[in-house]
Order: sequence, then C-alpha cells, then structure tokens
Amino acid sequence: AQRVTQPEKLLSVFKGAPVELKCNYSYSGSPELFWYVQYSRQRLQLLLRHISRESIKGFTADLNKGETSFHLKKPFAQEEDSAMYYCALNRDDKIIFGKGTRLHILP
Amino acid sequence: GAVVSQHPSRVICKSGTSVKIECRSLDFQATTMFWYRQFPKQSLMLMATSNEGSKATYEQGVEKDKFLINHASLTLSTLTVTSAHPEDSSFYICSVRRAGTSLTDTQYFGPGTRLTVL
Repeated sequence: AQRVTQPEKLLSVFKGAPVELKCNYSYSGSPELFWYVQYSRQRLQLLLRHISRESIKGFTADLNKGETSFHLKKPFAQEEDSAMYYCALNRDDKIIFGKGTRLHILP
Repeated sequence: GAVVSQHPSRVICKSGTSVKIECRSLDFQATTMFWYRQFPKQSLMLMATSNEGSKATYEQGVEKDKFLINHASLTLSTLTVTSAHPEDSSFYICSVRRAGTSLTDTQYFGPGTRLTVL
C-alpha cells in the first residue's frame, strides 16, 4: 500500500536544539512528498515539497530513496515552530497524509 | 489571504438530521475539490474527490449515500452528511485544487467545519 508513516506522535525539543521529524514512505515508483504544518487554531498549510528542494522557515527535507525516508529537519528550534506536522504524498493526484507529529518546543 | 472558505465553521445537530457543509474557492476556479475528515488527535483521512460537473469519487470505506457531495460550480462544493449520528461527529476539511495546474503547485485547505451530532 502507498502510504507515509510518522512514527512519533509527539516530539519535545528545547529551544535552540536541532529538530528532526521522521517520515518514511511506501510507494511504487517515484514519490512526490510534502510536509504540511498546522499551527494552533490555523488551517493546514504547505511547508515544503521535495521537488522544490527548498528551505522554508529554516526547515529542510531530503528524499532518501535508499531508506525510503523524507525526514524534516531544522538546525535550531524556535518557539514558534510548535505545531502539528504532517508528512504527505501524492497518490493518484490526491494528497494522502501521515498521522502527524506534534512538535513541542520547550523554552 | 484565505483562498478557501468553509461554512459553517461549527455546527451542532440532532441525531437523524442532515447537515450541509459548503466549501468555496474564493480566488480562482477549481475543477477539483477534496473532502477530508479528521478525528480528534488523528490525521486527515481523504473521503472523496469532488469533480465539477460529474460524480464525486469516494475513497474505499466511505459511504457515498451517507456523505453526499455536489460540485455544482467551479467555486462551490457541498458535503451533506445525511441522517447524521454521533459517530459522524468530526472535523471536516475541504481542499481546493486550482484549475489548469498540477496538484503539486496549488493545494489550498479550508479552515474546517466542526460537526457535533448529539
């Protein structure tokens, strides 16, 4: 089955520490992967996608086909990074989400 | 600014009644809209794909007679939860795909509608 797996429900990180949110995928072919973020009381929004190889708000994610992973990373966590993060993939032109990881930045 | 709106943002209804949720694309025409459902502290589950001028495509396990979708125009899709029961209580989110472009370029999400069935 084509899916993404986020093994961590909750990740607590101290401010200034590095962040890594894990995402593994199962997909036959070349996947299109995304990270979405949902801040408190706000709608879901696209953070980044692997085809753009971009860095948004200091976050990056590299597609590792050998490990079938697309982990989200940031070198120095900020308090405003506290949010719900969803890894997602494009399956037949539909966005399918992982279960999400809540990132809690500790002061 | 917001490009997708949903109405109502919150609705409470009695068991057995039907509830209609609207999703509007504000800035552009959308040939395709998506409806998701989100249970508390869980992920978004794709329910169906709404196509303007044709029948919606439902994901496996989603009852099409229970969740009626109408994409009457290029800016409006409606989801009607028929004969609602308490287990239908959830957060319903729509997503809009911009007409004429690839999915990866334009995927906007609505703010969601909280449905509570008593």
